[in-house]
Amino acid sequence: SYELTQPPSVSVSPGQTASITCSGDKLGDKYVCWYQQKPDRSPVLVIYQDSKRPSGIPERLSGSNSGNTATLTISGTQAMDEADYYCQAWDSNTVVFGGGTKLTVL
Amino acid sequence: QEQLVESGGGVVQPGRSLRLSCAASGFTFNSYGIHWVRQAPGQGLEWVAFIQYDGHNKYYTDSVKGRFTISRDNSKNTLYLQMNSLRPEDTALYYCAKGLSGAGTGDAFDIWGQGTMVTVSS
Repeated sequence: SYELTQPPSVSVSPGQTASITCSGDKLGDKYVCWYQQKPDRSPVLVIYQDSKRPSGIPERLSGSNSGNTATLTISGTQAMDEADYYCQAWDSNTVVFGGGTKLTVL
Repeated sequence: QEQLVESGGGVVQPGRSLRLSCAASGFTFNSYGIHWVRQAPGQGLEWVAFIQYDGHNKYYTDSVKGRFTISRDNSKNTLYLQMNSLRPEDTALYYCAKGLSGAGTGDAFDIWGQGTMVTVSS
């Protein structure tokens, strides 16, 4: 079965840029989306189709996808960005989530 | 606004059954595929099942095939998940989530419910 691999944790200082990666075989051939989940809250879609932002998502969140790796980039990271982030893709009519990355804003 | 509200969770013994419901409002329910996604305590997200807007196509993760059945009643704007032969490893918060564009497979999930907790324990 298809797998998506994320680093368990990423740390960033306020105002700096955070990058969260998601790796999978030929992932660049698929659309990737990203979800943000804060403690005791439901996930929120922040990026879809690799790099599109839903309405209301700040421009400092951006996405890219090429080769075997998709990346969620948060520029000018703020304390409110501290959360778990999950990548997601489709493979053969099934949905796959990455294991999630805890972003800590130090 | 677009909203999904899950219900039906609870504590159940291994081997027993449970049916979850997901009530939709604020959008044209019969135009969108809907998913069930679960999250075990302290763990990540796990996709469970998908049903196409008209109910014709259904897909499941391997671990629930033959035990869980996804269905929908478009006249009631409601999604269901019938869970049979429940196992302790099915213990999780179960979310329903709406497809973004109505395209079905390949869609992102733009609206999530608040979840309903299922605990399988003797």
